[in-house]
Amino acid sequence: KAGVTQTPRYLIKTRGQQVTLSCSPISGHRSVSWYQQTPGQGLQFLFEYFSETQRNKGNFPGRFSGRQFSNSRSEMNVSTLELGDSALYLCASSSWGTSGLLSNEQFFGPGTRLTVL
Amino acid sequence: GIQVEQSPPDLILQEGANSTLRCNFSDSVNNLQWFHQNPWGQLINLFYIPSGTKQNGRLSATTVATERYSLLYISSSQTTDSGVYFCAVEPRQGGSEKLVFGKGTKLTVNP
Repeated sequence: KAGVTQTPRYLIKTRGQQVTLSCSPISGHRSVSWYQQTPGQGLQFLFEYFSETQRNKGNFPGRFSGRQFSNSRSEMNVSTLELGDSALYLCASSSWGTSGLLSNEQFFGPGTRLTVL
Repeated sequence: GIQVEQSPPDLILQEGANSTLRCNFSDSVNNLQWFHQNPWGQLINLFYIPSGTKQNGRLSATTVATERYSLLYISSSQTTDSGVYFCAVEPRQGGSEKLVFGKGTKLTVNP
């Protein structure tokens, strides 16, 4: 079974631009979460989606948004990019909520490394 | 919110040595996972261990949920074990975070 995939893997943007990152979960997984990793703040939770609905949201400004599609693929968007948004963005999926499977074990994708100049 | 503390922050070993990494958490959790972050940034699942003990080859982990800590044991370390090890927990009560990560233990295994 294929793992979590993320595109693009690398991205360079300039301040003020916006960016959209994509995540495809493991087949059959319906829960998708996003995390930001920076040297200063470590790994921080952004948001979680299940069945196209946002279940949880971390402490990030409204410039960070996301959505989930009916096939469980998810996108996150960052508008008006700032230098501090440079980070590794990681997506994770789990089988939580899938009928008969209540495991909350998170499986991570390879990440998208965003550089804001 | 819940606090997750990992120790030691840095660990340098000679190949073949054993090590123990610790993760303390400040409140009850539903789940606990250990990850190894490879040089390219991907988090590799090591253990999903909300309680009890599990073993996988040279690695094993123990979580004592009632005392709010987990231990990751690495035996006969190899250079390929180098990297950052993260503990992450899912808080049981309150908060909105799916997983809360510790700051990691950076392991360097020298040949």
